[in-house]
Amino acid sequence: DVKVTQSSRYLVKRTGEKVFLECVQDMDHENMFWYRQDPGLGLRLIYFSYDVKMKEKGDIPEGYSVSREKKERFSLILESASTNQTSMYLCASSTPSRNTIYFGEGSWLTVV
Amino acid sequence: AQSVSQHNHHVILSEAASLELGCNYSYGGTVNLFWYVQYPGQHLQLLLKYFSGDPLVKGIKGFEAEFIKSKFSFNLRKPSVQWSDTAEYFCAAGGSNYQLIWGAGTKLIIKP
Repeated sequence: DVKVTQSSRYLVKRTGEKVFLECVQDMDHENMFWYRQDPGLGLRLIYFSYDVKMKEKGDIPEGYSVSREKKERFSLILESASTNQTSMYLCASSTPSRNTIYFGEGSWLTVV
Repeated sequence: AQSVSQHNHHVILSEAASLELGCNYSYGGTVNLFWYVQYPGQHLQLLLKYFSGDPLVKGIKGFEAEFIKSKFSFNLRKPSVQWSDTAEYFCAAGGSNYQLIWGAGTKLIIKP
C-alpha cells in the first residue's frame, strides 16, 4: 500500500515566520507534488518535482519554494508566511506513467 | 482555456437515492479523466479513472462514470447511496500527472 506521509497535520504560525512542510513517500515514486486545497477552488498545484533536485512551478508558486534532496522526500517552504497562505496543503506522489496520484492526509496551516 | 467544471458545490440526498454528479471539461488533445473522493478526515483517494476504451468506467464502492466525448462530460453515478458516501468528490482532467486540472469539488451529504 502506497503511503504518503505529511509531517504535520495541524500548524499555527505567525505572519512572517518561515514554515516547512515535509512529505515522505515510500513507493519510490519519481513524481511528487504540492497542492493547496481551498473551499470552492478545488486543488491548485503549487510545485511539482519529477526527479531529485528537479522542480517545476505549478499554477500558484508565488510565496512558496520547494526542496527535493532525496527521492522520497519533498518539502514545501513558505519563506515568510502570510495570512492568505492559510489553507490545507496536500502532498502527493505518482509514477511518470498515466497513473494514479497518491495523496497524503494533508496539513492544515493557519497563519495568524 | 483548460478547465473542469463541477456543476454543484453541495448535494444533499437521502439514503438509497440515486446519485449523479456532473463534470464537464475543456481540454485540448487526448484527455484522461479521474474522480477522486475525500472522506471526512481522510486523504484524497482515487474512485475511478478513464484513459481509453469502454466509456463506461466502474470504480470502487459501486461508483461508475460515463465518458461522453460529444458532451465533454464525465459524470459520476451511483444507483443507491449510503450514509458512508458522505464526502467531497473531485473531478480532474489532464494529459498527464503534471497537467491535471481539478474541479472545485462537490460536497455530498447523505441523510440517514
